[in-house]
Amino acid sequence: QVQLVQSGAEVKKPGASVKVSCKASGYTFTSYGINWVRQAPGQGLEWMGWISAYNGNTNYAQKFQGRVTMTTDTSTSTAYMELRSLRSDDTAVYYCARGNSGSPVDYWGQGTLVTVSS
Amino acid sequence: DIQMTQSPSTLSASVGDRVTITCRASQSISNYLAWYQQKPGKAPQFLIYKASNLESGVPSRFSGSGSGTEFTLTISSLQPDDFATYYCQQYKSYLYTFGQGTKLEIK
Repeated sequence: QVQLVQSGAEVKKPGASVKVSCKASGYTFTSYGINWVRQAPGQGLEWMGWISAYNGNTNYAQKFQGRVTMTTDTSTSTAYMELRSLRSDDTAVYYCARGNSGSPVDYWGQGTLVTVSS
Repeated sequence: DIQMTQSPSTLSASVGDRVTITCRASQSISNYLAWYQQKPGKAPQFLIYKASNLESGVPSRFSGSGSGTEFTLTISSLQPDDFATYYCQQYKSYLYTFGQGTKLEIK
């Protein structure tokens, strides 16, 4: 069965960077892309961007352009999302989720809580 | 970017009720719309794609309709497990966007 398992919770200081991992199993990793979606406490879902696991092409939401980098490691079927220059309002649960560009998101990871606090 | 607006933000209903949630797009998205259900502390669950197609395993009491800019999610007879928050998402543009969510509460 398809599974996306994310790395554990992180606590970071303002100005730092965080890198969240998402290990995929149960399907051919390079046949799908990975979306990253975040959810601030008590708020809705916010799409951050997408990466193709086939060729590494990316689409980033304008809000995160220049501050986010999404990568994949096909040898370990793992996707990564790095967010830099963290601020307190980046405190959120970050989800990875499978899907190709032009397709809905079908499977989600369990989420990674990133807390930004001085 | 395409903006997605859901209404209502909160909906109070009882077990057995029929409820409808609306999602409007700021421009035409054809039928490139998905619906998700999220329960507290859990990841969203995929319900519907292409506006009206149920994902495998989703109960038939859920249905979706619409095209262009206006879409609806209907639950024909609410069950206790259906009380959750629902989100629409457009995937017409390669820059995806979600609606702000509709919280379905027990009356």
